[in-house]
Amino acid sequence: AQSVAQPEDQVNVAEGNPLTVKCTYSVSGNPYLFWYVQYPNRGLQFLLKYITGDNLVKGSYGFEAEFNKSQTSFHLKKPSALVSDSALYFCAVREGSGGGSYIPTFGRGTSLIVHP
Amino acid sequence: GAVVSQHPSWVICKSGTSVKIECRSLDFQATTMFWYRQFPKQSLMLMATSNEGSKATYEQGVEKDKFLINHASLTLSTLTVTSAHPEDSSFYICSARALAGDGSGELFFGEGSRLTVL
Repeated sequence: AQSVAQPEDQVNVAEGNPLTVKCTYSVSGNPYLFWYVQYPNRGLQFLLKYITGDNLVKGSYGFEAEFNKSQTSFHLKKPSALVSDSALYFCAVREGSGGGSYIPTFGRGTSLIVHP
Repeated sequence: GAVVSQHPSWVICKSGTSVKIECRSLDFQATTMFWYRQFPKQSLMLMATSNEGSKATYEQGVEKDKFLINHASLTLSTLTVTSAHPEDSSFYICSARALAGDGSGELFFGEGSRLTVL
């Protein structure tokens, strides 16, 4: 079985400050991890993914995420937040390497609010 | 990246009528598409997996006779909400699985369809 936890319903940060949106996961084998962003009344947009290789993954709009196997975490980060980053962020996981379900499991989402 | 088009974006209908939502993969073929339902400020709820040329696989608790899914081609899946009622009002999102070179099979999402049943 696979699962994702996003422990924070909402994250507030001032514009220009660094931001972190937390995600922890559970899978039986090697994880494939994804971050998506959703703006109001829109579909989800892909931000970045971790499959293998470097633990620090860089994605769209200046976002990055760090894969930490020992802590089973994949936190989303950005060095300097923008007001336009305010949106709903979803972490997703699926078991990679041909094992398990190829359907990813999504976290419940974290609302990021960046204050001017 | 791959583009998924979903139509209509907004639809308002009377109770008892049926509504069809289309999901198209514009620049890639998708043997598998997924239909999600999202309630306000909540996560995505997977409703069903749409397989080209075969019957859809529905998640537990989703009425297959209520939510008809057809995946007639490699680029089109449709969701029909039959005899819609106000409790069916929701945001419906489709996604298609693109086979990336790394085998990750990342999902690309449509823009969603807001259904309001009066």
